[in-house]
Amino acid sequence: GAGVSQSPRYKVAKRGQDVALRCDPISGHVSLFWYQQALGQGPEFLTYFQNEAQLDKSGLPSDRFFAERPEGSVSTLKIQRTQQEDSAVYLCASSPSEQTNTEAFFGQGTRLTVV
Amino acid sequence: EDQVTQSPEALRLQEGESSSLNCSYTVSGLRGLFWYRQDPGKGPEFLFTLYSAGEEKEKERLKATLTKKESFLHITAPKPEDSATYLCAVQAHSGGYQKVTFGTGTKLQVIP
Repeated sequence: GAGVSQSPRYKVAKRGQDVALRCDPISGHVSLFWYQQALGQGPEFLTYFQNEAQLDKSGLPSDRFFAERPEGSVSTLKIQRTQQEDSAVYLCASSPSEQTNTEAFFGQGTRLTVV
Repeated sequence: EDQVTQSPEALRLQEGESSSLNCSYTVSGLRGLFWYRQDPGKGPEFLFTLYSAGEEKEKERLKATLTKKESFLHITAPKPEDSATYLCAVQAHSGGYQKVTFGTGTKLQVIP
């Protein structure tokens, strides 16, 4: 079956532009995570959804970052007024369980470059 | 604050040369310790979850172990296809927060 799908794979944005990154999790997966991965670093947690509920947004770096999952399936990460420091790979992961200390399946990520 | 430190940063092995990767962690109460493999340009791929000290898990040439302060990923007789970055991550019991904290990874290269 299909894995976690993220689009676009690559995005170049001018500084100040708004961007929207999409994540299609594995069908039926309850849990969904967003991470930010800078070059040469490990992923950094941004936010967590259980179905449509955003239960943890403690990792969002500023109020320019917003995530939603309105129907408990597809999720969108929106970044307003992009800055150069937002350049990174944004990873989405999903899991079939409400228990988040279990296996998660990652997408290939969206590489965002802010120029 | 939860912390994960991985060592070494990079490791170069000859094919068949066994070794271990280290993950030292500090958390307020461990819900789970994870090992992932990441190939260039791809998302992390799940390997193991360990939940309590003394636990061990194996998969092919990989074996993960856990103590109260660190985890080891042992690689036995590695092959070139084992070349990747290996990431360690922890999740803590922390009042409803679901944050998973990753280390910076160990980049493994296995030479034929």
